[in-house]
Amino acid sequence: GAGVSQSPSNKVTEKGKDVELRCDPISGHTALYWYRQSLGQGLEFLIYFQGNSAPDKSGLPSDRFSAERTGGSVSTLTIQRTQQEDSAVYLCASSLQGQGAEGYTFGSGTRLTVV
Amino acid sequence: AQSVSQHNHHVILSEAASLELGCNYSYGGTVNLFWYVQYPGQHLQLLLKYFSGDPLVKGIKGFEAEFIKSKFSFNLRKPSVQWSDTAEYFCAVNGGGYQKVTFGIGTKLQVIP
Repeated sequence: GAGVSQSPSNKVTEKGKDVELRCDPISGHTALYWYRQSLGQGLEFLIYFQGNSAPDKSGLPSDRFSAERTGGSVSTLTIQRTQQEDSAVYLCASSLQGQGAEGYTFGSGTRLTVV
Repeated sequence: AQSVSQHNHHVILSEAASLELGCNYSYGGTVNLFWYVQYPGQHLQLLLKYFSGDPLVKGIKGFEAEFIKSKFSFNLRKPSVQWSDTAEYFCAVNGGGYQKVTFGIGTKLQVIP
């Protein structure tokens, strides 16, 4: 597609429920990143996929968080047993070569609210 | 590890004032540096980037940034701001073998007409 597409744009969930957030990167972009944007916290790196390589999961805050990327394209970020501190905007970005130098293209994000 | 520090978290300026937003990074090797902007209600967009060559980088909408290696800095400047520059600005760094970009906490710029 023309840009990075994320769905849903907004999600309200009850504490303890599982949620899935979806990211559809720009066609042909081999690298895909998930970040979390919380008020006053900037952008926090979560996970990075590059082609068929093992993902860099070093930013995932707990084992409740996981992500998959199927067929080198669409990615799903799953948060199990959501907590109130998980409330944030979850951003997905993609880039052409994964080396970061060309910059990212970001999606509009999913605003997650845990009540 | 790479990190980014943005000194000003909230800046208020009148139109036509000059802007300089501070950014310092920590990483000892070769770096790629970025400024991203997020206008109200919009997604993050790349404003400008540096990865080699002339340390003075010009971006969109009259913005520029200067890479000073000795100071580990990449400050963003604009000679005369407009109301439409009201946004949040993020400095970011990607260094060495790291594949991810590390972002600063962001600076909210409010331009008063």
